[in-house]
Amino acid sequence: DIQMTQSPSILSASVGDRVTITCRASQSISSWLAWYQQTPGKAPNLLIYKASSLESGVPSRFSGSGSGTEFTLTISSLQPDDFATYYCQQYNSYPWTFGQGTKVEIK
Amino acid sequence: EVQLVESGGGLVKPGGSLRLSCAASGFTFSDYSMNWVRQAPGKGLEWVSSISTSDTYIYYGDSVKGRFTISRDNTKNSLYLQMNSLRAEDTAVYYCARGGYYDILTGQDLWGQGTLVTVSS
Repeated sequence: DIQMTQSPSILSASVGDRVTITCRASQSISSWLAWYQQTPGKAPNLLIYKASSLESGVPSRFSGSGSGTEFTLTISSLQPDDFATYYCQQYNSYPWTFGQGTKVEIK
Repeated sequence: EVQLVESGGGLVKPGGSLRLSCAASGFTFSDYSMNWVRQAPGKGLEWVSSISTSDTYIYYGDSVKGRFTISRDNTKNSLYLQMNSLRAEDTAVYYCARGGYYDILTGQDLWGQGTLVTVSS
């Protein structure tokens, strides 16, 4: 199985900060990576697919990059609605696997 | 409205069975692959199972293989998860999630609200 490792696990930031979350795969997954945002009590929401494609309706302050084994999710200017937990997911091969999550909290 | 609505969760004893349903509306259900993803209380996301548009391809996570069965009825716009031999570690919110159009590999872009399954004696 492909292991997905996110860092950091917790990130403290302020409104307006530029934030970067890293996701590493235990083997190459090409660009078959998605990013999700989840707030407490809600279902996940797709932000990015195919490593860098922005899902329709997602604000442009979110961006994704990377290929192979290393990927990043960047929020260019953190907004109040962005305090949430973020997950990466590989869909290169079954079983699909998620990272453990990165909680972005208010500094 | 484009939506997925899960049902069928509840409290079940270890070793018991439960069948989850997911009703799709607002889009052509038969055109999309579908998935189940779960989240144990206070934990991260875990992919459970996927099914292609016409049942040709079905996949399971290692932790549920041999115990869970995914199925779909395109005439009823519904997705199902039959869960047998349930264990305490299956306790989670189970989400139904839409996959790719015509089985294209992509992220899950539409999720239900989730249904809670609790396995306890």
